[in-house]
Amino acid sequence: AQRVTQPEKLLSVFKGAPVELKCNYSYSGSPELFWYVQYSRQRLQLLLRHISRESIKGFTADLNKGETSFHLKKPFAQEEDSAMYYCALTNSGGSNYKLTFGKGTLLTVNP
Amino acid sequence: DVKVTQSSRYLVKRTGEKVFLECVQDMDHENMFWYRQDPGLGLRLIYFSYDVKMKEKGDIPEGYSVSREKKERFSLILESASTNQTSMYLCASRGGMGYEQYFGPGTRLTVT
Repeated sequence: AQRVTQPEKLLSVFKGAPVELKCNYSYSGSPELFWYVQYSRQRLQLLLRHISRESIKGFTADLNKGETSFHLKKPFAQEEDSAMYYCALTNSGGSNYKLTFGKGTLLTVNP
Repeated sequence: DVKVTQSSRYLVKRTGEKVFLECVQDMDHENMFWYRQDPGLGLRLIYFSYDVKMKEKGDIPEGYSVSREKKERFSLILESASTNQTSMYLCASRGGMGYEQYFGPGTRLTVT
């Protein structure tokens, strides 16, 4: 069974500090990993996916298959980064495109 | 831009009522999904549909059913609402070659 673990429910940092949101997964096949974000009073939206290897809003995430991790990082946090972040996984070879989500981490960036 | 709309932002129902939550997408997506979002539990998949009239149970289907008569519309039905179904319900759709799911704004359902 596939599982996504986000060990921190809450994370609080100061503006300008580095931030890392942790995500670990368990999956026997070849996973596709994603980070979704939900800003206050907005809908859930895709932040980034591991396969594209891009940086969005200064965030990056590297898939580490050895440690089965996909941590989200940003070197200098901004107040507008305050949001709920979800890590998610799907089977890259699957045909139903189901996503398994972690329980989420609420990031607060203080001024 | 993909647009996913949900029929209500807020809904209050009584225990035992039959409840319909509607979701519509305008991008001709094949796949549609219903989740519930609860604090500390994240998003949990209730049902999904990979084509018209095709559906499959997710992780927590008990107490729910779905209907997809047209490609653009996916309905979630609570046959007899109970207080433990008080939650935020999110609809999503996906299509084409990518894995990205596009979410609606959510319906906050309160069952009293």
